[in-house]
Parts: sequence; C-alpha cells; structure tokens
Amino acid sequence: GQNIDQPTEMTATEGAIVQINCTYQTSGFNGLFWYQQHAGEAPTFLSYNVLDGLEEKGRFSSFLSRSKGYSYLLLKELQMKDSASYLCAVLDNDYKLSFGAGTTVTVRA
Amino acid sequence: DAGITQSPRHKVTETGTPVTLRCHQTENHRYMYWYRQDPGHGLRLIHYSYGVKDTDKGEVSDGYSVSRSKTEDFLLTLESATSSQTSVYFCAISDDRDNTEAFFGQGTRLTVV
Repeated sequence: GQNIDQPTEMTATEGAIVQINCTYQTSGFNGLFWYQQHAGEAPTFLSYNVLDGLEEKGRFSSFLSRSKGYSYLLLKELQMKDSASYLCAVLDNDYKLSFGAGTTVTVRA
Repeated sequence: DAGITQSPRHKVTETGTPVTLRCHQTENHRYMYWYRQDPGHGLRLIHYSYGVKDTDKGEVSDGYSVSRSKTEDFLLTLESATSSQTSVYFCAISDDRDNTEAFFGQGTRLTVV
C-alpha cells in the first residue's frame, strides 16, 4: 500500500513562516501535490512538483526530493486566512492520487 | 470556479438502505473520481472513471458501485448503507490523468444511522 506521512498539527504566529514536511513510500511516482482545505470546504490545489527542487508561487513554496521520498510546503508571511488543513498527495504509477492524513495549521495573532 | 456540483450536500439514511450520490460537471473533463474523507485517514479513492462507461476500483471500493452513462455525471451508489460508510464524500474532475488540473466538489456529508 501507499504510505504518506505528515504531521497532524502545527501552530504558528501571524507573519511567521511554517514548513510542513511530507514523506512518502509509494508504488511509483508521477508527481506530488499540495492541497489546502478549509474546514467544511473542498480541497483546493496549491502546488505540483514532479522534478526535484523548489517551486515558488507567491507566499507558498514547495520542495521535492525524489531520492529521499520527501517534500515540504513552506508558507511565508502567515495570515489568519492560512489557518486550514494542508494535504500532501502522491500520484502513483497507475496515476491514482494517494493522500496523507493532512496537517492542520493554526495561525495565532 | 470549476463547474462541479455534488448532490445532495447532506443526507441522513438508515442502515441497510440504498443511497446514490451524484456528481455533475459542466467542464467536459474526461476523468472523474469519488473519494471519502475520514478523520485520521485523509482522502481515500473509492472509484474513478476515465470516460463514459469506463470505471475502475480505487483503494476502498468494497460496498460501493459507480456508473457513468454521460460525460457530465458520475454516480456513486451504496447498495446497502452501513454505519462505517458515514463519511464526507468528495467528487473530483480532471482533464488529464496527471491530475494537474483536478478540481473538487463541495462534498456530501453522509450519516448512516
């Protein structure tokens, strides 16, 4: 089966930086995704990495190391609206997405 | 926003009854997916479709069936609902198998009592 691990919860202060780590062991690899999900809402796409390295998109960046089975999502200049769950997902050899359990980030004033 | 609608949004049903959830899209996307989301498990794939009348099983397909007779509709049926199927169900659509343009519906909260 697929194994995707990420921390359950993280707390940070408004304006700070938070890094959410994700490690994976899957049957093949065709890309890694990060989604944001506010309570009671649908997941929304944040980032996609298929090659090693850092992808930057505004305040959010995502990093991938395929040899280490590791990714992180970096959230900079945290805002209250960033309080949400962040889901790490891997696209396997069959092009099916497997998700981690999600990391709930709480931003405090 | 992507044109994807799930119905109903909330449903309470009794154990042993059949239940059908509907996912409707207006994007003409080829791929459609049904996931369930439970605390501590994240999103898990139930069934998916890669075209009209082409469907396949996901990670947690037992107790569920699907049908796709039109590009725009993907139905998920619980033949005989059980309490373990109480969950939030999400439909997703994608224009390619890489899921790089995947969009999720708003979810259906199903409670089986």
